[in-house]
Amino acid sequence: NAGVTQTPKFRILKIGQSMTLQCAQDMNHNYMYWYRQDPGMGLKLIYYSVGAGITDKGEVPNGYNVSRSTTEDFPLRLELAAPSQTSVYFCASSQTGTGTDGNQPQHFGDGTRLSIL
Amino acid sequence: DAKTTQPNSMESNEEEPVHLPCNHSTISGTDYIHWYRQLPSQGPEYVIHGLTSNVNNRMASLAIAEDRKSSTLILHRATLRDAAVYYCILKSNTGNQFYFGTGTSLTVIP
Repeated sequence: NAGVTQTPKFRILKIGQSMTLQCAQDMNHNYMYWYRQDPGMGLKLIYYSVGAGITDKGEVPNGYNVSRSTTEDFPLRLELAAPSQTSVYFCASSQTGTGTDGNQPQHFGDGTRLSIL
Repeated sequence: DAKTTQPNSMESNEEEPVHLPCNHSTISGTDYIHWYRQLPSQGPEYVIHGLTSNVNNRMASLAIAEDRKSSTLILHRATLRDAAVYYCILKSNTGNQFYFGTGTSLTVIP
């Protein structure tokens, strides 16, 4: 199994451009997450999804959009890139999120390093 | 979700045990204690988690205080590959979010 796959690994955008960060998992996990990590900081949750067709905001959702049309894929879209969105973006998945099995570990991808100039 | 407090950095000699502390004085009864680590230029990696009892797995041990207001991640024999940032996270059984702090940066000295 590949686990969680993120593409691209690196990208440079100009201010105002848009792009989609791709995330795919092959573990049949219901829950998927997008985080951003600024230099020297911990991860902050942008959006998450508890299943196909269901998404919800995390701590820092402004400037981003997500969709979840399939169990496997959870793309993150930046519509109007701003310098403040320069960061490393991580996608993660887990089996479930709540209940007695709700504390399954999250599996992370290797990240997308995004610079906006 | 309750917050955690960890030292910013720690050092250990190679092949010696490492005890990484975490304080979580406002933990609630339904909060699990999770530990993740992040190697340079990689995504976080699950290490271990527990609720009340001490836990062991192939990577580490988790010692949880009786009042649950603190915990300690124990690496039994540090290797150079264990140099990473270690995050202690509280995860509610009723919520869907992890809250990462800034973690403890572990340096392993050869």
